[in-house]
Amino acid sequence: DQQVKQNSPSLSVQEGRISILNCDYTNSMFDYFLWYKKYPAEGPTFLISISSIKDKNEDGRFTVFLNKSAKHLSLHIVPSQPGDSAVYFCAASAWGNNRLAFGKGNQVVVIP
Amino acid sequence: DVKVTQSSRYLVKRTGEKVFLECVQDMDHENMFWYRQDPGLGLRLIYFSYDVKMKEKGDIPEGYSVSREKKERFSLILESASTNQTSMYLCASSSGRRGSYNEQFFGPGTRLTVL
Repeated sequence: DQQVKQNSPSLSVQEGRISILNCDYTNSMFDYFLWYKKYPAEGPTFLISISSIKDKNEDGRFTVFLNKSAKHLSLHIVPSQPGDSAVYFCAASAWGNNRLAFGKGNQVVVIP
Repeated sequence: DVKVTQSSRYLVKRTGEKVFLECVQDMDHENMFWYRQDPGLGLRLIYFSYDVKMKEKGDIPEGYSVSREKKERFSLILESASTNQTSMYLCASSSGRRGSYNEQFFGPGTRLTVL
């Protein structure tokens, strides 16, 4: 049972434009959310996170928005750069639980 | 910086062979994880360990076992490799700090091909 869902498996965007990645979750116990970025033949690297006490967290070009009532979060990348071309995984965890539940990932291609 | 290393980047084995994948972390983390990544399926948890000699099954433990004899080292074992175990294997670790959320740090992955 997929607790974290990422629809629209791939996204193509022009360099300089905004990339928006969406993530939905079903488990109401989740209260911490993370985004990871993965290049081919490398391990995922942590990008940005947000806890449920916030609805927005920003780090440079990356902003994550959380809508708890809708059980939805999104990652905005502005402006998109060719180096952002990667697979992005959404992940969630609950307080006191060491496990992360991952979505299936979104492939982003930034066109120069 | 946290460093998680995996013993091989690429590995080719034959059906029926016993395969060992080794993972070492240098940040004194309590928790260690093994995932596999397959196209369209994302990251799936095979096993994890929250302490030396402790292990917990993840979502897809069948066909795998693990060993954690030392805190820094977590091994994934394929007792008899099969072609459907061809995949990218990713090791991760995280701190077991109480009272906080603990992000997982990943190794570079091992691309295993079983012929």
